Amino acid sequence: AQTVTQSQPEMSVQEAETVTLSCTYDTSENNYYLFWYKQPPSRQMILVIRQEAYKQQNATENRFSVNFQKAAKSFSLKISDSQLGDTAMYFCAFMIDDKIIFGKGTRLHILP
Amino acid sequence: GAGVSQTPSNKVTEKGKYVELRCDPISGHTALYWYRQSLGQGPEFLIYFQGTGAADDSGLPNDRFFAVRPEGSVSTLKIQRTERGDSAVYLCASSLNRANTGELFFGEGSRLTVL
Repeated sequence: AQTVTQSQPEMSVQEAETVTLSCTYDTSENNYYLFWYKQPPSRQMILVIRQEAYKQQNATENRFSVNFQKAAKSFSLKISDSQLGDTAMYFCAFMIDDKIIFGKGTRLHILP
Repeated sequence: GAGVSQTPSNKVTEKGKYVELRCDPISGHTALYWYRQSLGQGPEFLIYFQGTGAADDSGLPNDRFFAVRPEGSVSTLKIQRTERGDSAVYLCASSLNRANTGELFFGEGSRLTVL
């Protein structure tokens, strides 16, 4: 079975600090895509960052970057210079055969 | 439209009733997904459409759940004989074509409460 595990149900950090959210996944496939989605209190999910499994270089989008360890099946998200607007649920997900599977999420609080 | 639109935003019904939830994807998006999100959980895949056909319906929990997309645009998720366990937020998402870029555009969801 293909699964996504986020071991941190909830985290809090001070504004401007750096925070890392963990994610591991399990699949026997070799080609797939990995994502982090953000869900603010408004409920609408937004794509934060994506990574193709065949690429060794870690993806970066402004303050967001990932640490992709394919052999370990690990895909963590680093948020630098965190802002109050980063407060949200963060979901790790991976896609295979057009189906995207999500983890249970990490609730992130950015404290002023 | 500018984004994915879902109606109703909230629906309260009684156990045993029939419910329809509607999703209007972004114009031109051929791929459409339905997910169910229970409180404190991540979205759970239900069904995926490519055009008018259901490409993968392996996530539908049982035969009380059915979804259609007759013209390849608007989709309706139908739930028969609702049960209390069906209470959740039902999310719809669309993508330009096959979701090989992984960027799904989500609606705000329909919150279903079964009393």
